Amino acid sequence: GAGVSQSPRYKVAKRGQDVALRCDPISGHVSLFWYQQALGQGPEFLTYFQNEAQLDKSGLPSDRFFAERPEGSVSTLKIQRTQKEDSAVYLCASSTRLAGGTYNEQFFGPGTRLTVL
Amino acid sequence: GENVEQHPSTLSVQEGDSAVIKCTYSDSASNYFPWYKQELGKGPQLIIDIRSNVGEKKDQRIAVTLNKTAKHFSLHITETQPEDSAVYFCAALRSYNQGGKLIFGQGTELSVKP
Repeated sequence: GAGVSQSPRYKVAKRGQDVALRCDPISGHVSLFWYQQALGQGPEFLTYFQNEAQLDKSGLPSDRFFAERPEGSVSTLKIQRTQKEDSAVYLCASSTRLAGGTYNEQFFGPGTRLTVL
Repeated sequence: GENVEQHPSTLSVQEGDSAVIKCTYSDSASNYFPWYKQELGKGPQLIIDIRSNVGEKKDQRIAVTLNKTAKHFSLHITETQPEDSAVYFCAALRSYNQGGKLIFGQGTELSVKP
């Protein structure tokens, strides 16, 4: 079946521009996560949605970062006034919810590589 | 908060040999430990995971062990093949607030030489 898809795969922005990154999770997956992966590093948590509710945004690095999932399916990560330090791969992951409130494995998309010039 | 340390950062083995990657975590409340394989230009792919109520899990050539007391877990790959070459990440998750976030290690670049 279809996995997690992300678009665009590559994005080049000039410093100061706004960008929007899209994530299409696996159909029916309740949970959606955004991670940021700097070159040569492990992914770092940004934010988490359960359906349309954003339950944790503790990893967002600044108020220039904003994420939404208005209908509980597709999600968009928006970065305003991009800076060079925002250059990274942005990964989206989704997962189902197991009975009893525990969570299942997270399936990752291919990521969007953002380069800020 | 949770912190995950992963070693080694690079590992080179001959085809057919075994490879072992080790991780330690700091939060004793963490209860789920996945391992991901990431190839160049791709997202992380789950290869095996283990929950805190289990000490060992095996899937063909891949196995994971968990020592909750010492707060460390390891990935074992036997009979390595060139296609096993990739970056491997361990992670730890603590369920909370109806969810949970993965904390990743720094990654191990595995090279399997034919």
